[in-house]
Amino acid sequence: GDSVTQMEGPVTLSEEAFLTINCTYTATGYPSLFWYVQYPGEGLQLLLKATKADDKGSNKGFEATYRKETTSFHLEKGSVQVSDSAVYFCALKGTNAGKSTFGDGTTLTVKP
Amino acid sequence: DTEVTQTPKHLVMGMTNKKSLKCEQHMGHRAMYWYKQKAKKPPELMFVYSYEKLSINESVPSRFSPECPNSSLLNLHLHALQPEDSALYLCASSRPTGLPGYTFGSGTRLTVV
Repeated sequence: GDSVTQMEGPVTLSEEAFLTINCTYTATGYPSLFWYVQYPGEGLQLLLKATKADDKGSNKGFEATYRKETTSFHLEKGSVQVSDSAVYFCALKGTNAGKSTFGDGTTLTVKP
Repeated sequence: DTEVTQTPKHLVMGMTNKKSLKCEQHMGHRAMYWYKQKAKKPPELMFVYSYEKLSINESVPSRFSPECPNSSLLNLHLHALQPEDSALYLCASSRPTGLPGYTFGSGTRLTVV
């Protein structure tokens, strides 16, 4: 079945540092890939997505590129802010799947 | 309107109570979902409704009863819950076809005492 493996956290960075959160997946066919963010006390928000190989999703300074050859969708941001502190979930949705598969989540804390 | 609205935001209920969680969206999405999320864990799928029909039930205990009265509303009826059912309950919606990706509500924080 489908699965998503995320870099284990927690991750602690200083403000303006570079962020990478690794995500790899296992799926048949051509899944769509997502990053969701969950701020404390809130639901999940779709941060970015990519629906085919070599697509780059981007939003709010975050980027991730769909790499089919390495089955990866790593999240990056060039300069993090304190307000980026949250839990980040990588997810995939298979072509014919009625549901998404989520990774375990990575907690990011950015210190001033 | 690009939101999924969930009510109530917080709920405390006893193990003999009956309560309902409500979810509403006006984005024209025809797939709606209930997820359960424990602290520091990913959301776990409970139910999927597609075009107002239950399409996925992830072997959820019968003390949780979903209902989709129309294309904008989704309810989760709760009865005889256990303390281990305490969690954040998230509603989400999506288009069943076309570009995927969920829109989540802010959730209902449920505590069973």
